[in-house]
Amino acid sequence: AQSVTQLDSQVPVFEEAPVELRCNYSSSVSVYLFWYVQYPNQGLQLLLKYLSGSTLVKGINGFEAEFNKSQTSFHLRKPSVHISDTAEYFCAVSGRGSQGNLIFGKGTKLSVKP
Amino acid sequence: DSGVTQTPKHLITATGQRVTLRCSPRSGDLSVYWYQQSLDQGLQFLIQYYNGEERAKGNILERFSAQQFPDLHSELNLSSLELGDSALYFCASSVDPQVGSYEQYFGPGTRLTVT
Repeated sequence: AQSVTQLDSQVPVFEEAPVELRCNYSSSVSVYLFWYVQYPNQGLQLLLKYLSGSTLVKGINGFEAEFNKSQTSFHLRKPSVHISDTAEYFCAVSGRGSQGNLIFGKGTKLSVKP
Repeated sequence: DSGVTQTPKHLITATGQRVTLRCSPRSGDLSVYWYQQSLDQGLQFLIQYYNGEERAKGNILERFSAQQFPDLHSELNLSSLELGDSALYFCASSVDPQVGSYEQYFGPGTRLTVT
């Protein structure tokens, strides 16, 4: 079984500042890792994914994440945020060899202030 | 637009009633997943179908059931509704996770309100 912990429920940040949203996971098997974004009153959109290979993955809208196996972490970063990045961000994990169902963290609400 | 469609967008019903939520996956995707998003439980996986067959079950109540039809659309049936069933229900689709990238595309969701 897998579980995901998003360490911050809310992250306020000023526009053009860097941001890091933290995610730790627990699993008895190897995993695939994902970050999704949910804008108000919308569905979830995939930001980026780690399947294998390079531990630094780049996604859409300037976001990137680094897979750290020893620390079982997959933190999301952006060097300079915009007002339009205000949304809720979800970290998710899927066990390798599973049917692909996602286990989500509780989410982090990113609030970008002018 | 993810290519996944869900109807209806909103649903308001009374306790004890039964409702059906519908999902059409992206063209070419054979796998459909249902998730429930609520304030207290967060996003939870309910059930997965692949090409008409149930593949995996999560925290789905016995009052809930689903199916996937030959045209690959899926329906989630919720019966004997309780106030606690009020939530946003998402459908997602993907290629066969056994050979694909595990990437899931989410629909816009159906917001269910039980009064």
